[in-house]
Amino acid sequence: KAGVTQTPRYLIKTRGQQVTLSCSPISGHRSVSWYQQTPGQGLQFLFEYFSETQRNKGNFPGRFSGRQFSNSRSEMNVSTLELGDSALYLCASSLVSGATNYGYTFGSGTRLTVV
Amino acid sequence: GQQLNQSPQSMFIQEGEDVSMNCTSSSIFNTWLWYKQDPGEGPVLLIALYKAGELTSNGRLTAQFGITRKDSFLNISASIPSDVGIYFCAGRRSNFGNEKLTFGTGTRLTIIP
Repeated sequence: KAGVTQTPRYLIKTRGQQVTLSCSPISGHRSVSWYQQTPGQGLQFLFEYFSETQRNKGNFPGRFSGRQFSNSRSEMNVSTLELGDSALYLCASSLVSGATNYGYTFGSGTRLTVV
Repeated sequence: GQQLNQSPQSMFIQEGEDVSMNCTSSSIFNTWLWYKQDPGEGPVLLIALYKAGELTSNGRLTAQFGITRKDSFLNISASIPSDVGIYFCAGRRSNFGNEKLTFGTGTRLTIIP
């Protein structure tokens, strides 16, 4: 069974640009969550999507956005990049049945460097 | 953003030693998870705990869900080189589908030759 696939693995962008990261969840998993990992702040929750709807959002500025497609694949977008956005962005997929989340499987992440 | 307090921050041990780390929170969590992260990879789930007081093992790893629901502990027995990495605790307030994970600050484990 294929795991969570994140693309690209590495990305270098310039301040002010925008970036789109992609996540393909495990087949059958309909919930996708995104986390930002930095040395200073650790792992912080960005947002969660289920059936193309954002159901939960962390404390990040509006420059951070996401969406989910009908096949459960998700993308996150960061506009007007800042140096502080340099981080490892992790996607996690979950099997959700009814109201219950049966745990998260993380992808290998996208390492974004803003210069 | 919020992070759980995890200690120790780093550990330097010899192969074969036992390891203990813990995670504390000022608020209650109904699920505690322990993850290991290797360089350049995402966290991998080691143990999940769903009930206060629960003690669960996964091979040489044993974790406990504190009875106050505000802490959790992870023990690794007879450490081996592949145990090197960063260990994170994570708490979740409910098992509802949209509930986020709150992560600990991490414990970096190094094995001294």
